[in-house]
Amino acid sequence: ILNVEQSPQSLHVQEGDSTNFTCSFPSSNFYALHWYRWETAKSPEALFVMTLNGDEKKKGRISATLNTKEGYSYLYIKGSQPEDSATYLCASLGGGSNYKLTFGKGTLLTVNP
Amino acid sequence: DAGVIQSPRHEVTEMGQEVTLRCKPISGHDYLFWYRQTMMRGLELLIYFNNNVPIDDSGMPEDRFSAKMPNASFSTLKIQPSEPRDSAVYFCASSLYRGDSPLHFGNGTRLTVT
Repeated sequence: ILNVEQSPQSLHVQEGDSTNFTCSFPSSNFYALHWYRWETAKSPEALFVMTLNGDEKKKGRISATLNTKEGYSYLYIKGSQPEDSATYLCASLGGGSNYKLTFGKGTLLTVNP
Repeated sequence: DAGVIQSPRHEVTEMGQEVTLRCKPISGHDYLFWYRQTMMRGLELLIYFNNNVPIDDSGMPEDRFSAKMPNASFSTLKIQPSEPRDSAVYFCASSLYRGDSPLHFGNGTRLTVT
C-alpha cells in the first residue's frame, strides 16, 4: 500500500448501532497513525495518535486499534449517536526526518435518529 | 488559548488577482502546516515549517504559490496570479513536535476564484 486508504467511503447507521471503519497505511517505515473527527463546517479535531503495534486507545464511546505489521487501524464507535455524524480521517506518518502526514480521504458517517 | 487562527474565512477573487491567506499558530507550537482540501484529492499537504523554517514544500502546486513564516506567530500563503482551479478550502495547522503530537487545525479559508 503506497497511500492511506479508508473504507468504507460513507456509512449510514441507526442511532444506537455500533460501527467500525478501516484505515490502511504503508507498514514499512511506520512512525505514527492519527485519527481525526471532522464535522461539517468545522475543522478537523484530533481523536487519537497511535505509535505502538497492538496499541488500543479509547475516548468515551470511540476506540481505535493499531496493527503496524500489516498496516491497518480500526476505529470503533459504540452506540452511535446523531452527534457522531462526521467525517473520520486517518493520517499516517513515516519515520525519518520528514514530518509529512499523509491523510486518507475519510469515512463519512451519518447516524440517523 | 484561542487555537489556530486563520483569516479571512472566505475569499472571493477574480482570476489573475493576488490572494494572501494568513495564519496564527498556537503559541509554543514549533510546527506549522498548510493544507488544501478539495473533493477530488482530499487533504493535501502544501508546505510545512519547523521553527519558522520551511522544511518540505514539495506539495506546493507550482511557482504561483509561495509561503512564508517571518516569525513564530505568523505565516502567509500567497497565490499570484490566482486561477479558478485554485478554488478550495485552505487549512493551516500547528503542532508541538513531530509524530506523537496531534495537529490543531484552524477553521480554514474558503477560496473561490472566478
